[in-house]
Amino acid sequence: NAGVTQTPKFRILKIGQSMTLQCTQDMNHNYMYWYRQDPGMGLKLIYYSVGAGITDKGEVPNGYNVSRSTTEDFPLRLELAAPSQTSVYFCASGRLAGETGELFFGEGSRLTVL
Amino acid sequence: GQQLNQSPQSMFIQEGEDVSMNCTSSSIFNTWLWYKQDPGEGPVLLIALYKAGELTSNGRLTAQFGITRKDSFLNISASIPSDVGIYFCAGLENSGYALNFGKGTSLLVTP
Repeated sequence: NAGVTQTPKFRILKIGQSMTLQCTQDMNHNYMYWYRQDPGMGLKLIYYSVGAGITDKGEVPNGYNVSRSTTEDFPLRLELAAPSQTSVYFCASGRLAGETGELFFGEGSRLTVL
Repeated sequence: GQQLNQSPQSMFIQEGEDVSMNCTSSSIFNTWLWYKQDPGEGPVLLIALYKAGELTSNGRLTAQFGITRKDSFLNISASIPSDVGIYFCAGLENSGYALNFGKGTSLLVTP
């Protein structure tokens, strides 16, 4: 019953450091997403992927990069971390576009940049 | 992505009361979904709606897909303490690849 697995769950970064948030899913979903959640602001889309080798920007992509070399994995890279990137990050996967709109979310990664 | 207008922002109610929240959009959606997020967890799907006018129930939860396809509401009847959490609406546009989310309704239920 793994579903969507995110690591790490918590991380503290210093300004200017880089890191990668890992995300893997075992449901053979084509669509994968990275959202960030700030208090009272809902979920904002950072990047998404409709299949291996295909990625596209969402609403707030600046300061982030992604790759999708396999169906299962969709890592999110933060380059030169800034305090504005302090947030909770959620990875999600699903089947969209003509099928069910349901997304399955990971438990989140809480990142603090000091 | 388009931000949906979700209201109310927060609700503080007593156990046993009914709850209603809604979501509106300036765009037409083909799919409306309602998610619940418990503290420290990721959102979990409660109800999915795929047709305009559709009314769907899941236990004490009932949701409707508005006829104009620009709105949806979620009702919770006879609330209990475990209903506490943040409820999000989400919509999918025609040919869309990603869900648009509302800002959430934070629900607190006192025993």
